[in-house]
Amino acid sequence: DAGVIQSPRHEVTEMGQEVTLRCKPISGHNSLFWYRQTMMRGLELLIYFNNNVPIDDSGMPEDRFSAKMPNASFSTLKIQPSEPRDSAVYFCASSLWTANTGELFFGEGSRLTVL
Amino acid sequence: QKEVEQNSGPLSVPEGAIASLNCTYSDRVSQSFFWYRQYSGKSPELIMSIYSNGDKEDGRFTAQLNKASQYVSLLIRDSQPSDSATYLCDSHPAGGYNKLIFGAGTRLAVHP
Repeated sequence: DAGVIQSPRHEVTEMGQEVTLRCKPISGHNSLFWYRQTMMRGLELLIYFNNNVPIDDSGMPEDRFSAKMPNASFSTLKIQPSEPRDSAVYFCASSLWTANTGELFFGEGSRLTVL
Repeated sequence: QKEVEQNSGPLSVPEGAIASLNCTYSDRVSQSFFWYRQYSGKSPELIMSIYSNGDKEDGRFTAQLNKASQYVSLLIRDSQPSDSATYLCDSHPAGGYNKLIFGAGTRLAVHP
């Protein structure tokens, strides 16, 4: 299995620009998670989907952030407009969720730098 | 109160010693617990999962769960320099939520 695939691996952009991060989960997994990691705040859950439906987006910091999952094999996280404080590593993770299990498999992350 | 709390460390242990990492959680009905290891610049990877009270062993790793006291721990026996990483504790609250709550992570340094 190819694992969770994220793109781009690195993104450097200027403040005000739109940023789109992409994720392909592991085939057969029914849950997808977007996390953001910084030194100051650690690993924060932004949003998660179950069977392509957004379940909880309470971690999305502002309206500038949006996420979609149009099908079971693709998700995007969009930041528009981007700000320097959005600089972080963004991880996508997927899981085959049951009542009591749910190990996460992480992608390699997208490192975003907003100048 | 954070839902999952860990000592951020760093926890420094000599090579060959036992490293003990602890995690407390606030949701009394949490069902599933996971330990992830994250090397610097890499993504987290699962190393242990535990669902019932008691100990679960896998090689040099032992996870311990005490639901009455609401803590879960990870013991690493015969610590190696390659174990130096940040260890993240994660719980799965019950109540229909699939949301996984990570602790801030404990940084472990194993010195030769």
